[in-house]
Amino acid sequence: GESVGLHLPTLSVQEGDNSIINCAYSNSASDYFIWYKQESGKGPQFIIDIRSNMDKRQGQRVTVLLNKTVKHLSLQIAATQPGDSAVYFCAENLHKGGSQGNLIFGKGTKLSVKP
Amino acid sequence: DAGVTQSPTHLIKTRGQQVTLRCSPKSGHDTVSWYQQALGQGPQFIFQYYEEEERQRGNFPDRFSGHQFPNYSSELNVNALLLGDSALYLCASNRWDRDTDTQYFGPGTRLTVL
Repeated sequence: GESVGLHLPTLSVQEGDNSIINCAYSNSASDYFIWYKQESGKGPQFIIDIRSNMDKRQGQRVTVLLNKTVKHLSLQIAATQPGDSAVYFCAENLHKGGSQGNLIFGKGTKLSVKP
Repeated sequence: DAGVTQSPTHLIKTRGQQVTLRCSPKSGHDTVSWYQQALGQGPQFIFQYYEEEERQRGNFPDRFSGHQFPNYSSELNVNALLLGDSALYLCASNRWDRDTDTQYFGPGTRLTVL
């Protein structure tokens, strides 16, 4: 079946550095991608999303890049802070009309920020 | 603005029992989706409800069933519990007619099957 995977299961960065979390997706028909942050004991928290008609989208300290040619998604976090420590999931959605279809998640990347 | 809420927070059951989990969507949302998240894994889609009907379903057995009420809240029922059903169960909500909106997740219910 279709799946979303991540290149690195863990990432450790120094506070203040930039972080890059990568994700590969396999369904070329997916048209919507989301990054979620999940802290221990909590549900996934929306960070940023991007549609397939875009290749870059910026938020507050975060940027998502989409490369449809190689089916790759990345999340860049600027000036990483200790509060950014969490597991990050990318998810893809195959729009099926009406509401969003189901989200397909990867296994996640654990980001650890060293003070 | 109330976000997605779920109850209970934690639950312990034994094999063969039945369980009901509850979810209230974010204010203004009418669509509820349920996900199962095993330890160390990403969430897996179970099913989605809109207008009190199941609209989409993931690869889960019939032991997993759900319901949506007129106020948009939802229940997830699991019958004949197995040890492998132990997981964090997440509820997410969005608006059916706003496909530009992402799904917002609740804090989850941690189910332990002994």
